[in-house]
Amino acid sequence: QQQVRQSPQSLTVWEGETAILNCSYEDSTFNYFPWYQQFPGEGPALLISIRSVSDKKEDGRFTIFFNKREKKLSLHITDSQPGDSATYFCAASPNNYAQGLTFGLGTRVSVFP
Amino acid sequence: DAAVTQKPRYLIKMKGQEAEMKCIPEKGHTAVFWYQQKQSKELKFLIYFQNQQPLDQIDMVKERFSAVCPSSSLCSLGIRTCEAEDSALYLCSSSQSDRPEVFFGKGTRLTVV
Repeated sequence: QQQVRQSPQSLTVWEGETAILNCSYEDSTFNYFPWYQQFPGEGPALLISIRSVSDKKEDGRFTIFFNKREKKLSLHITDSQPGDSATYFCAASPNNYAQGLTFGLGTRVSVFP
Repeated sequence: DAAVTQKPRYLIKMKGQEAEMKCIPEKGHTAVFWYQQKQSKELKFLIYFQNQQPLDQIDMVKERFSAVCPSSSLCSLGIRTCEAEDSALYLCSSSQSDRPEVFFGKGTRLTVV
């Protein structure tokens, strides 16, 4: 059973639009949520992360919105660029240790010029 | 740029052959993880090392793989007898023991023909 769920599986947006990627989780002990960006043929790279004490984290064009009560979070990519085309993984961990990290199945984002 | 180094980047083996791939964790990181990824989809956890000791692994690894970290600066993942289903991107990642941030290498792309 997938503990971290992502939707949609794939997403297409035009350059300049906002891409919204959704993530939900089951385990209420999860308190650390990183997002990873992966380009084809490369390893995932840590993009942005949030802890459950916060409801929003912003880094440039990337923003995480977190709703602890509903166990949901979303990644917004504003002013999407073709270079943002990649697969994005939501992950969750229940503690300060990486061995508890659970990944979602990913959302493939395509940004067309 | 990834501070986790994986070699080789590409590996081609025939069915039945042995395969070996190496990982150099980021300096100072004591936790090492291996994942298998097929077709840019889900990250399948394989094995976790803490201070060079294997602490968690899936059954497939116990049965068909060999994984060791002979030093804090080198880990290896081997497949004793390659099968077609082993064709995948093998990702190594590392983290500090007291932090959840995980950093990935670029992976070794194994093709079994």
